[in-house]
Amino acid sequence: EPEVTQTPSHQVTQMGQEVILRCVPISNHLYFYWYRQILGQKVEFLVSFYNNEISEKSEIFDDQFSVERPDGSNFTLKIRSTKLEDSAMYFCASSDNRNTIYFGEGSWLTVV
Amino acid sequence: AQSVTQPDIHITVSEGASLELRCNYSYGATPYLFWYVQSPGQGLQLLLKYFSGDTLVQGIKGFEAEFKRSQSSFNLRKPSVHWSDAAEYFCAVGTANAGGTSYGKLTFGQGTILTVHP
Repeated sequence: EPEVTQTPSHQVTQMGQEVILRCVPISNHLYFYWYRQILGQKVEFLVSFYNNEISEKSEIFDDQFSVERPDGSNFTLKIRSTKLEDSAMYFCASSDNRNTIYFGEGSWLTVV
Repeated sequence: AQSVTQPDIHITVSEGASLELRCNYSYGATPYLFWYVQSPGQGLQLLLKYFSGDTLVQGIKGFEAEFKRSQSSFNLRKPSVHWSDAAEYFCAVGTANAGGTSYGKLTFGQGTILTVHP
């Protein structure tokens, strides 16, 4: 079964550093998403991306965050200047036009 | 705004027993509903989804869910639980983008942790 792959699986970074989380969505999918799950809290929507632009974003997705699809296969989430509260599991997801949404295994980000 | 409530934070069942995990949603339009499962250290795996049609939906691993509009519920069931079903289960409601072509903005419940006793 096709799957969404994410790298790295775990990253530790110092506060104020830039972080890039990478995702390879399923190849024929059209919609791409990032979600996050702070430890002990709900999974939260961050952003959706379609046709090379952001289609929707949440209040969490402020100017410190950006997304990009640089080469037609990868989908990245960049956090420009990490804060302690950015520590979370970040999930990439993709969906086809039948709205079956597949999630990756997540990238655990720890900001120290 | 849409919301999802999973009233049970933790459920324990014996292997072979039946299971029902509760999910209630609040959404103004026709809901698009999902159940995901997350095993420790793993990602979110889609169990089943409801978009329209038959209100009893079959999913993978022997799970099913029933959409009840009058009760705003989408409870997950399994007739006989296996030890490998121990995991955390998330109910989610999807809302459409502006063009109505994607329902990937999901609002999740807080999850129900399932423990299975041998």
